[in-house]
Amino acid sequence: EDQVTQSPEALRLQEGESSSLNCSYTVSGLRGLFWYRQDPGKGPEFLFTLYSAGEEKEKERLKATLTKKESFLHITAPKPEDSATYLCAVQQNSWGKFQFGAGTQVVVTP
Amino acid sequence: EAGVTQFPSHSVIEKGQTVTLRCDPISGHDNLYWYRRVMGKEIKFLLHFVKESKQDESGMPNNRFLAERTGGTYSTLKVQPAELEDSGVYFCASSLLGGKGTGELFFGEGSRLTVL
Repeated sequence: EDQVTQSPEALRLQEGESSSLNCSYTVSGLRGLFWYRQDPGKGPEFLFTLYSAGEEKEKERLKATLTKKESFLHITAPKPEDSATYLCAVQQNSWGKFQFGAGTQVVVTP
Repeated sequence: EAGVTQFPSHSVIEKGQTVTLRCDPISGHDNLYWYRRVMGKEIKFLLHFVKESKQDESGMPNNRFLAERTGGTYSTLKVQPAELEDSGVYFCASSLLGGKGTGELFFGEGSRLTVL
């Protein structure tokens, strides 16, 4: 059965303390792996799409990487405004459903 | 450009009552998805429309849930009769049809359903 597992469940960081979130997946025929950010009371907000192993994407303090079995979201020198739940999701074909992981809740303290 | 809008933002009903959630996708987005998050668990797929047709409804929990998409525009999700375990946040998302754009989903802010 297809699975998406995120770790850790929660992460508490000091401002400036870099860290990485993990998303491991087992799915046949991956079309894309997506990272989203979700703030309390809001819907998920798109961050990145990764399509093939070795691909990397960057946006401000965030960098996402992809291997054949997992993806990492690196947060470099985080700020309090980076506090959110980070979700990864996989899609098997260009029109199909997205399967989400449970998310990693990140809290960045000043 | 307007994003995905959902209504109501919060609904509180009693067990056995009926609730209808509405989603207006981004204009021009043929894909429309319903997802829900129950009790802090992961966001789970309910169903997928392509235009007005149901492409995949494998995630619909039972026949108390009915989704429609009139003319390929807005969609409604009706729960009748509601049960306690239906409580959660229902998200609608839309995207461009396959191969166009980067394929990401654009989410609404969700409709929180509380069944008492």
